Amino acid sequence: GENVEQHPSTLSVQEGDSAVIKCTYSDSASNYFPWYKQELGKRPQLIIDIRSNVGEKKDQRIAVTLNKTAKHFSLHITETQPEDSAVYFCAALNDYKLSFGAGTTVTVRA
Amino acid sequence: NAGVTQTPKFQVLKTGQSMTLQCAQDMNHNSMYWYRQDPGMGLRLIYYSASEGTTDKGEVPNGYNVSRLNKREFSLRLESAAPSQTSVYFCASSPAGSWGFFGPGTRLTVL
Repeated sequence: GENVEQHPSTLSVQEGDSAVIKCTYSDSASNYFPWYKQELGKRPQLIIDIRSNVGEKKDQRIAVTLNKTAKHFSLHITETQPEDSAVYFCAALNDYKLSFGAGTTVTVRA
Repeated sequence: NAGVTQTPKFQVLKTGQSMTLQCAQDMNHNSMYWYRQDPGMGLRLIYYSASEGTTDKGEVPNGYNVSRLNKREFSLRLESAAPSQTSVYFCASSPAGSWGFFGPGTRLTVL
C-alpha cells in the first residue's frame, strides 16, 4: 500500500516568516495530494490540494508543489500568522484510499 | 446542509463491550471512510466504502466491522472493545476523484 512520510514533525517559526513542510509518497499510481489543517480538538479541514498533472498551485499565502519524478510534494506558507498554528497533514490518494502523513505541528511565535 | 455528522461525540466502554459508531452525509458522495487518529500517528484508515454496496479493509481493520447501510450512512462496529481501540474516530466522505470532508469525530475510551 501507499506510504506517506512527512517532515518535520514539529516546526516553530517567527510570525511573518515562511514555513515549509515536505512529504514523500511511495506509490507512483497516487494521483491526488491534499493538505489538511487540524486545530486542537477539531476535525481536519482541507486547505489546498494538487493533482498529479499539475506542478504547483497557490491560494493566497499557501502554495503546494509536486515533483512526480521524485515522488515528493511540499506545502509552503508565507507571511505566517498566529492563526496558522495547528497540525498540518499531507495525504496521497490511490484508488479511493487516502493515506496520511504523521503530521507537522506548526507553532507561530509572535 | 449538515455535511458529515457522527454520533456519539464521546463514549466510554469497558473492555469486551460492543458499540456502533454512526456516520451520515448529505452531500450525495459515493465514497465514505472511517479513520482513527492516535497521537503522533496521523490518521489511519480502518475501512472504506468506494460506493454503496461495497466495503474494503484499510490499514488497521482488525477488531472492527462496517456496514454501508445506504448511500448516506456508514457505520463502524466494535464487537469486543479493547483498550488499544481508545482513539478519536473520524468518518469522512468524498466525491469521486477528490477528497475532503470529515465529520466532527468520536472520542472513544476503552477501560
